[in-house]
Amino acid sequence: QQQVKQSPQSLIVQKGGISIINCAYENTAFDYFPWYQQFPGKGPALLIAIRPDVSEKKEGRFTISFNKSAKQFSLHIMDSQPGDSATYFCAARLFRWNTGNQFYFGTGTSLTVIP
Amino acid sequence: DARVTQTPRHKVTEMGQEVTMRCQPILGHNTVFWYRQTMMQGLELLAYFRNRAPLDDSGMPKDRFSAEMPDATLATLKIQPSEPRDSAVYFCASGYPPGPGNTIYFGEGSWLTVV
Repeated sequence: QQQVKQSPQSLIVQKGGISIINCAYENTAFDYFPWYQQFPGKGPALLIAIRPDVSEKKEGRFTISFNKSAKQFSLHIMDSQPGDSATYFCAARLFRWNTGNQFYFGTGTSLTVIP
Repeated sequence: DARVTQTPRHKVTEMGQEVTMRCQPILGHNTVFWYRQTMMQGLELLAYFRNRAPLDDSGMPKDRFSAEMPDATLATLKIQPSEPRDSAVYFCASGYPPGPGNTIYFGEGSWLTVV
């Protein structure tokens, strides 16, 4: 059972355009929502993250929009560049006192930015 | 530059052989995760350790997979006997204890091909 649903599976955007990747979750106990960026042959690297008490977080060209009532969050990449071409994973963190942090990942979105 | 180190980076082995993958977590991190990445399933959690103790290995096929942390600087994932369906990228990730903003950091993966 996929705890975090991610869409689209793949995305092609023109250079300078806006890339939007969406994620949805059901478990309201999730307390932290990171996004990871993965280049071919590399491990996922933390890109940006948000807590559920914040509706938006912006770091440079990357913005997370968070809708707590809808249990959805999205990554927006403004002025997309060919160097942004990578696979993006959303994730959600669940904290339990007996087991600590567990992270649940979406299935990933392959982004291609065309020059 | 602290990072998670995984070995081997690439492994091709014959079906039935034993495979051992190793991970050195970031110094000071007390949580270690093993993930498997495939095109079909995305990132699947195999095992999770905190302070070297296994907390969750429910995602791991118990008949052939085993995970251990002999000490705080080494985590191992063993497959015996290996099968072609085990072909995937295996990622190790480590993190600090639960807390605001704490997330996990991935190694570059061990790319396993079982023929």
